[in-house]
Amino acid sequence: DAKTTQPTSMDCAEGRAANLPCNHSTISGNEYVYWYRQIHSQGPQYIIHGLKNNETNEMASLIITEDRKSSTLILPHATLRDTAVYYCIVRGGGNNRKLIWGLGTSLAVNP
Amino acid sequence: DTGVSQDPRHKITKRGQNVTFRCDPISEHNRLYWYRQTLGQGPEFLTYFQNEAQLEKSRLLSDRFSAERPKGSFSTLEIQRTEQGDSAMYLCASSLSLAGRQETQYFGPGTRLLVL
Repeated sequence: DAKTTQPTSMDCAEGRAANLPCNHSTISGNEYVYWYRQIHSQGPQYIIHGLKNNETNEMASLIITEDRKSSTLILPHATLRDTAVYYCIVRGGGNNRKLIWGLGTSLAVNP
Repeated sequence: DTGVSQDPRHKITKRGQNVTFRCDPISEHNRLYWYRQTLGQGPEFLTYFQNEAQLEKSRLLSDRFSAERPKGSFSTLEIQRTEQGDSAMYLCASSLSLAGRQETQYFGPGTRLLVL
């Protein structure tokens, strides 16, 4: 079973920041938080991942709480092309290689 | 484009037929994964390879399913005697696993299978 909880759907106005929350209260010390998104009928696209520090790349920022029990993916200036299902995944190191996916958050960016 | 590629992108077949899908990973990636995704659900893990060795298989991978990665490069996923319940998107991902470093899986566009 997925170890994360996400809202089913969210809306965001074009040009505004989209803040997507994820709860992972049972995360353990060596587990990373990964974010992917899937635009309709396409393969998932990697966005970002982190362990405990906040991370930023050209696509998004990842804010992880100090207790690591939750995180937020931030798309700073959402565009219509950011409309997608966003998946938050907790993945361990060691021999645990596979990604276990939940249902994700369906983000609609509106003009 | 040097991303993960999958072929075919779409496949329609009749129940009972065999189908084979191909995945070409990102060059020099040593791990290759197969997932299955049905409508409205997240992807589900099927199996993965480290080079040519198949290291883990999900219980979802019934005996009608077989995957190979003979030379540690491309991989094939075959489904024998297809059933309507096999209709899904089949996703391939690859990653570079290095000691001491967290790996990231990169996905192909998927093969959408419809079994009539």
